Amino acid sequence: GAGVSQTPSNKVTEKGKYVELRCDPISGHTALYWYRQSLGQGPEFLIYFQGTGAADDSGLPNDRFFAVRPEGSVSTLKIQRTERGDSAVYLCASSLSIEFREQFFGPGTRLTVL
Amino acid sequence: KQEVTQIPAALSVPEGENLVLNCSFTDSAIYNLQWFRQDPGKGLTSLLLIQSSQREQTSGRLNASLDKSSGRSTLYIAASQPGDSATYLCAVRPAETSGSRLTFGEGTQLTVNP
Repeated sequence: GAGVSQTPSNKVTEKGKYVELRCDPISGHTALYWYRQSLGQGPEFLIYFQGTGAADDSGLPNDRFFAVRPEGSVSTLKIQRTERGDSAVYLCASSLSIEFREQFFGPGTRLTVL
Repeated sequence: KQEVTQIPAALSVPEGENLVLNCSFTDSAIYNLQWFRQDPGKGLTSLLLIQSSQREQTSGRLNASLDKSSGRSTLYIAASQPGDSATYLCAVRPAETSGSRLTFGEGTQLTVNP
């Protein structure tokens, strides 16, 4: 059915606040990825899940960032004590499996930290 | 560490021109290479995916080639149209079986003038 969806599309918050960004992958896709894209840059990998478990979280910049996927479908990226440098577009992608080649991206959430 | 470079950073051409976008990567141990299109304020749309064992892929007016040994890929766009105006990103996936993250270039911003 539908492609990858992300909510909210835009999020404005104040420095120090906590935010949650949601990703709904394509139905049946077991692999889910989070990337971050700063203005004028290509996306940078953050974390990916195979099912419920984080298979690789080495791209998370620090311990303020955390992501979960408790039922192996929807994922939430959580950012604590936001900083102005966290402002970026957060992109989510999914694929049928880690082995399956193509990743399909959502429209992103634009996060602005004031 | 894999690094992906795209040249040129920006390109402006008149409608109807054939054009080539370049992508280079430092580590030739890749599983595949993917070309994406990104419209302003939008997510990524997959255009073409080339497996490491392949030399090229074609879709409509688009043709992507891969020379893994030299760490290069090109995206050829034939008979460009104003609707082709967007940022084009290439991304590589590492060859190791546990690796699924994509490493992106910074993109080429294409403007096709009517």
